[in-house]
Amino acid sequence: EAQVTQNPRYLITVTGKKLTVTCSQNMNHEYMSWYRQDPGLGLRQIYYSMNVEVTDKGDVPEGYKVSRKEKRNFPLILESPSPNQTSLYFCASSPPPWWRGVHTQYFGPGTRLTVL
Amino acid sequence: AQTVTQSQPEMSVQEAETVTLSCTYDTSESDYYLFWYKQPPSRQMILVIRQEAYKQQNATENRFSVNFQKAAKSFSLKISDSQLGDAAMYFCAYRSGSDNYGQNFVFGPGTRLSVLP
Repeated sequence: EAQVTQNPRYLITVTGKKLTVTCSQNMNHEYMSWYRQDPGLGLRQIYYSMNVEVTDKGDVPEGYKVSRKEKRNFPLILESPSPNQTSLYFCASSPPPWWRGVHTQYFGPGTRLTVL
Repeated sequence: AQTVTQSQPEMSVQEAETVTLSCTYDTSESDYYLFWYKQPPSRQMILVIRQEAYKQQNATENRFSVNFQKAAKSFSLKISDSQLGDAAMYFCAYRSGSDNYGQNFVFGPGTRLSVLP
């Protein structure tokens, strides 16, 4: 089954304690992205990756890091989480925009992060 | 940079009636794609419908259809014969058709749709 998986689904942590949210896709997609969803703001892109070892900042990258060492994995790292990073996080993958066919993104199930 | 606007934070519709959700976007590109995603209480993001900008014909998926006005940069979603299961947050999204444009997908702030029995 084609899917994007994220772990953990729920996480409560404290300020300053490093954490990693994992993301994996089994569709051999080049593009992967991380978003955060906040009320009234929709989904805002944190980082995206166009392929292995190619990553770039989205709209709200401050306080986050990513890596893309393998095509299937795109972890999100919070080196020193703060309460303003409390949010719902989504990982997503997609084929390149020039791939005439499916253009949509496939989303993971979301990770609810609370930073105390 | 592209922006997507959804001017209706909340809407409601009576079951079996029709409702239209609005979306406008701003871009200087000619090649792009537009999407409507549904997010039910489960939080899963579900693709409802998509539209390629180069296609003049409006996309339709069962009870869901769009009114794509390229010149006006408008992309509204019409839900016919509304059902209780349609209650959700709906997001309009834009994707550049170019690899070189940096941004991948841009989302609007969402419209929360309630369906009244």
